[in-house]
Amino acid sequence: QVQLQESGPGLVKPSETLSLTCTVSGGSISSYYWSWIRQPPGKGLEWIGYIYYSGSTNYNPSLKSRVTISVDTSKNQFSLKLSSVTAADTAVYYCARVPSVYDNRGYYDYYVDHWGQGTLVTVSS
Amino acid sequence: QSVLTQPPSVSEAPRQRVTISCSGRSSNIGNNAVSWYQQLPGKAPKLLIYDDDVLPSGVSDRFSGSKSGTSASLAISGLQSEDEADYYCAAWDDSLNGPVFGGGTKLTVL
Repeated sequence: QVQLQESGPGLVKPSETLSLTCTVSGGSISSYYWSWIRQPPGKGLEWIGYIYYSGSTNYNPSLKSRVTISVDTSKNQFSLKLSSVTAADTAVYYCARVPSVYDNRGYYDYYVDHWGQGTLVTVSS
Repeated sequence: QSVLTQPPSVSEAPRQRVTISCSGRSSNIGNNAVSWYQQLPGKAPKLLIYDDDVLPSGVSDRFSGSKSGTSASLAISGLQSEDEADYYCAAWDDSLNGPVFGGGTKLTVL
């Protein structure tokens, strides 16, 4: 059974860079898309971006200037960097596996079938 | 404000059936597939439905999904207390060039 585990600092200072890593176990990182999704306390889900195992990426336009997602297939890991953070970036950050983005029947079929447990990152001085 | 619109809350008695709606536009639900997620308190979301109406292996057949035009629905039959959770819809948005989520619906089993 595939498992995902986020790791990284739980506290980041304003204006600094948030860095998280997701380790995938029980399966290969190859042949899937891998996504980061966040959830501010008491609020809904927000897509941050995704990366294909080959390295191609797609980011939320509202975060694009500050986000970098990378993948290390040798370690079965992918990572998130979010720069110039503010209190508005305080959230539970989830890493997730995305089996599909585009269906060859001619429409987008993005969905997440496996989620990490989530890690709370607080932005505060 | 979320791109996909869900009612903030719904409630129903045990053993009854409830539906949760998700309203969007042609750029998202109207053109692309919808997925649904259940989030129990303090837990990560769990996939319930993908490709509008497909149940992943291991998900109870008390859950079902449907779509018509620019709206989608999640139905839960035979309500149980353990169904109390937040439910989110999601779909790709052609304008955003990425997925968008609904604001979530809190289900209370009376």
